[in-house]
Amino acid sequence: RKEVEQDPGPFNVPEGATVAFNCTYSNSASQSFFWYRQDCRKEPKLLMSVYSSGNEDGRFTAQLNRASQYISLLIRDSKLSDSATYLCVVNSVSGGYNKLIFGAGTRLAVHP
Amino acid sequence: EAGVAQSPRYKIIEKRQSVAFWCNPISGHATLYWYQQILGQGPKLLIQFQNNGVVDDSQLPKDRFSAERLKGVDSTLKIQPAKLEDSAVYLCASSLVGVAYEQYFGPGTRLTVT
Repeated sequence: RKEVEQDPGPFNVPEGATVAFNCTYSNSASQSFFWYRQDCRKEPKLLMSVYSSGNEDGRFTAQLNRASQYISLLIRDSKLSDSATYLCVVNSVSGGYNKLIFGAGTRLAVHP
Repeated sequence: EAGVAQSPRYKIIEKRQSVAFWCNPISGHATLYWYQQILGQGPKLLIQFQNNGVVDDSQLPKDRFSAERLKGVDSTLKIQPAKLEDSAVYLCASSLVGVAYEQYFGPGTRLTVT
C-alpha cells in the first residue's frame, strides 16, 4: 500500500464549479499534512497546510480527519488558473528528521 | 530573493552513460533535498542533507546514484551508469532547518535515457 494515495483524476470542471480532492495516508503517526500545487512542467509549490480544525485560504478549504486518515481539499468558484496537479503531502519523521511524502497528485482541468 | 537554481535543465544520454546535476539552494537554507519525479508520479525523496551531512538516503539507489554537498551550500547528484528507468525530472529543493514542510523547489532537470 502506498503511503499517500490520491485519485489521479483528471477532474474536468467548468469555471465557477466547486471541486473536492481526497487523499488517504497509511502512517497513523503522521503529524502534519499539506497540499502542494504543481503546474504542468513546473516545480511543486506549497499551497496550504492542513489542520485538524480545518483551514481556509480564500476559495480553498483543507480538512483533516485523523481517525479516518483522510485529507481533503475543496476549491470553490474554480478559475481557469486553478488548472494544475494538486499533490497531497504528509510529513514523516525518520531518524529525528522531517521528510515529506508526496502523493501522485490529482490533476484538475478547469474549462471555460 | 533568488530561488533554487539547477542545471542543466534538460539532458539526453544513452543508457550506461554517466550524468551529473547541480543545485544551488536558497541562501541560508541549511537543508537540501534531491527528489526524483517520474511522469505521472509525485516527487520521491532520494537524499536529504543538513549542511554537508546526509540525514536520509534510504531511497537512493547507491549502486548507481551518488550525491555530495561538500561545503554545505551547493550540491551535485550523479548517476553512473544510467538505466532507462532513470528517465525522470530530478528536483532539488531547500528549506530552513526545522521547516521541512515549506520546501522551495528548483525548476528541475529533465533527464531522458535512451
